[in-house]
Amino acid sequence: AQRVTQPEKLLSVFKGAPVELKCNYSYSGSPELFWYVQYSRQRLQLLLRHISRESIKGFTADLNKGETSFHLKKPFAQEEDSAMYYCALSGQAAGNKLTFGGGTRVLVKP
Amino acid sequence: GAGVSQTPSNKVTEKGKYVELRCDPISGHTALYWYRQSLGQGPEFLIYFQGTGAADDSGLPNDRFFAVRPEGSVSTLKIQRTERGDSAVYLCASSLDPRAGGQETQYFGPGTRLLVL
Repeated sequence: AQRVTQPEKLLSVFKGAPVELKCNYSYSGSPELFWYVQYSRQRLQLLLRHISRESIKGFTADLNKGETSFHLKKPFAQEEDSAMYYCALSGQAAGNKLTFGGGTRVLVKP
Repeated sequence: GAGVSQTPSNKVTEKGKYVELRCDPISGHTALYWYRQSLGQGPEFLIYFQGTGAADDSGLPNDRFFAVRPEGSVSTLKIQRTERGDSAVYLCASSLDPRAGGQETQYFGPGTRLLVL
């Protein structure tokens, strides 16, 4: 069975400091990994996916198959980054459904 | 264009009642998903439609839950004999056909917040 773990419920950082959100997964096969974000009073939206290998809003994430991790990083956090972040997994064996982690709330203080 | 819409935005009902939650996907999206998000948790998959048929209903918790998509567009999630444990935010998402070649981005609606008293 597939599983996504986000060990931190809350991350509090100061503006301009680096931020890293941890995500570990278990999956039999080749997964697709995603980060979704939910800003206050907005709907859940895709932030980035590992196959795109792009940086969105200064965030990057690298899939490490050896460590089964997909950590999200940003070198300089901004106040507008305050939100809920969810790591999610999908793949052939999982069909097309997304399996989400429990989420990490990021609070960027001025 | 318009995104995924869900109605009602909030629903309060009494234990034992029947409720229907509606989802309008993005026009042209053949895939439609329902998820449930309990307080403090991430969304959990319920059911996935490809066109009119349920391609994967493995996430439905029991036979009180049922969903339909009769014309391949709007979908309705139906919950019979509601229980207090059904209280959650019910999310709908839609995407282009994921069978074409890999995972298509799922676009989420704002959710329906269900409270069972």
